[in-house]
Amino acid sequence: AQKITQTQPGMFVQEKEAVTLDCTYDTSDPSYGLFWYKQPSSGEMIFLIYQGSYDQQNATEGRYSLNFQKARKSANLVISASQLGDSAMYFCVIDPGTYKYIFGTGTRLKVLA
Amino acid sequence: NAGVTQTPKFRILKIGQSMTLQCAQDMNHNYMYWYRQDPGMGLKLIYYSVGAGITDKGEVPNGYNVSRSTTEDFPLRLELAAPSQTSVYFCASSYSSGNAEAFFGQGTRLTVV
Repeated sequence: AQKITQTQPGMFVQEKEAVTLDCTYDTSDPSYGLFWYKQPSSGEMIFLIYQGSYDQQNATEGRYSLNFQKARKSANLVISASQLGDSAMYFCVIDPGTYKYIFGTGTRLKVLA
Repeated sequence: NAGVTQTPKFRILKIGQSMTLQCAQDMNHNYMYWYRQDPGMGLKLIYYSVGAGITDKGEVPNGYNVSRSTTEDFPLRLELAAPSQTSVYFCASSYSSGNAEAFFGQGTRLTVV
């Protein structure tokens, strides 16, 4: 069975600093996708970044990058130059191609001015 | 481009009542999903569909039914509402599984009293 673990229920970061949100996963499928979504207090789900299991390079999208370590089954999200608008809940998600996204429990990030 | 549209945004039901949550997407995606999000938790899959006429159960299907008569629409039916169904419901769609982001609706906040 697939599983996502996010061990940090809450994180604080100073504005303009970088922050890393941890994510480990468990799957026996050789092919899968890893995603990060942001959920602000308004409730919508916003796609941030995607990493394929066979991708050789770590994914980057603007201020977001993914530290993908396949052997360790980890896919940590790095947010550089944090902004106040980054305060939100962040979910790590795995999709092993079985039509099902599996969500972690999330990390609540608070950016301090 | 509307994306994924859910209605209603809010609803209060009495125990034993029934209702249908509507979901429509205009991106011609074959894959559609219904999730529920309980307070402070990640999303859990209720039902999914890989195309018109094809639906299947997710992790938490009890108390719900779905249908998929067209590519665009994927309504979720709650029969005999119970307090345990108080949650935020998200509909989502994607063009493939395993390597594509899912697009989410704005969510429906349902309270059963």
